[in-house]
Amino acid sequence: DADVTQTPRNRITKTGKRIMLECSQTKGHDRMYWYRQDPGLGLRLIYYSFDVKDINKGEISDGYSVSRQAQAKFSLSLESAIPNQTALYFCATSAVDIGTGELFFGEGSRLTVL
Amino acid sequence: GEDVEQSLFLSVREGDSSVINCTYTDSSSTYLYWYKQEPGAGLQLLTYIFSNMDMKQDQRLTVLLNKKDKHLSLRIADTQTGDSAIYFCAEKVAGANNLFFGTGTRLTVIP
Repeated sequence: DADVTQTPRNRITKTGKRIMLECSQTKGHDRMYWYRQDPGLGLRLIYYSFDVKDINKGEISDGYSVSRQAQAKFSLSLESAIPNQTALYFCATSAVDIGTGELFFGEGSRLTVL
Repeated sequence: GEDVEQSLFLSVREGDSSVINCTYTDSSSTYLYWYKQEPGAGLQLLTYIFSNMDMKQDQRLTVLLNKKDKHLSLRIADTQTGDSAIYFCAEKVAGANNLFFGTGTRLTVIP
């Protein structure tokens, strides 16, 4: 089983709909992240959380919200989806010190907003 | 945000060496990383280098860091078809709590 699991893997929705992407991890890491990947733009950080009571905005948080329901779960919501939110979304985790450690990524959730 | 630049595409023949380049702008980078993304998968860490190092070698991978020019490269020796993927460089800036990723370079290995 994957250490970082994202659901759904693929989703097509319409403009204005509310969408939730879920992430769960079995690595026991405190830190969790949501990134967005667009062709030619690389990965951009949306939100990150260092523990259950900690939520921080990333580079591109407008139009998104997150919830850290437990150490192992971090969900990303689009309250009213718009077409330019069509992208590949990745959840990632890290141990406390990211310096020499690594980010562990889920397999991605591809979202298409029509 | 930080500016991390990469060429978008690179094609090499199987057995040749590949060199993927990356430039960054923040001189306070502490660690620099190379991640690999295979089709349909998330990113996986390949290697990293601390900012006070010039070179790091790990089997077929050689990372070179020119801190003066803010230039990072990844050399893959004897490139194989399984090396076809998107390669991202990333930096950790002093005081920041996350990584800044480049645009990714799609490496295509021609048999």
